[in-house]
Amino acid sequence: DIVMTQSPDSLAVSLGERATINCKSSQSVFYSSNNKNYLAWYQQKPGQPPKLLIYWASTRESGVPDRFSGSGSGTDFTLTISSLQAEDVAVYHCQQYYSTPYTFGQGTKLEIK
Amino acid sequence: QVQLQESGPGLVEPSETLSLTCTVSGGSITNYYWNWIRQPAGKGLEWIGRIYTSGSTNYNPSLKSRVTMSVDTSKNQFSLKLSSVTAADTAVYYCAGHFSSSSYFHYWGQGTLVTVSS
Repeated sequence: DIVMTQSPDSLAVSLGERATINCKSSQSVFYSSNNKNYLAWYQQKPGQPPKLLIYWASTRESGVPDRFSGSGSGTDFTLTISSLQAEDVAVYHCQQYYSTPYTFGQGTKLEIK
Repeated sequence: QVQLQESGPGLVEPSETLSLTCTVSGGSITNYYWNWIRQPAGKGLEWIGRIYTSGSTNYNPSLKSRVTMSVDTSKNQFSLKLSSVTAADTAVYYCAGHFSSSSYFHYWGQGTLVTVSS
């Protein structure tokens, strides 16, 4: 299984400031035949299911604000929120879909400082 | 817009079989992979497995011996059975869907809490 490890486990950022969450996979999730990283990011608010934010490591899902961006390749990935808004308080999860079993990171809890 | 809704008992006794159904509305069930994912309270997400509308399945090896998934295209439903449950199987269970060409989860149900207890 590919193990996904996020850092930090929790993060407190001031409104309007940048938030950065990291995700590391135990093996590469880059598929050279199509030049794509099989990595997604989700946002989960309390009592709600996860919501897809980013796929292919850096493609924003339709309707997701452009303050959310994803980067990275191979085994190291980053989710960046450029200017934190109050509604961004949530748990963020990364997921690899390179191979089954699909696996998720342990989640990063983002709060307002 | 495709919507998913889980249904099934919220309480299951230890050693019994957990059974859940997910109903797909707002679109066709065909040409998607349908998944079950669970989340124990305060913990991360665990992928249980998936089924295609043809009936082909992939299960998480950690649960494979206890999991059975099925699909009923005439009812736009798919189902999960997890046998020999213990307290460790207590979790919120989500159904989720992804396109056949890409395995990130576009569609999620609201989730249903299943507690294993006598």
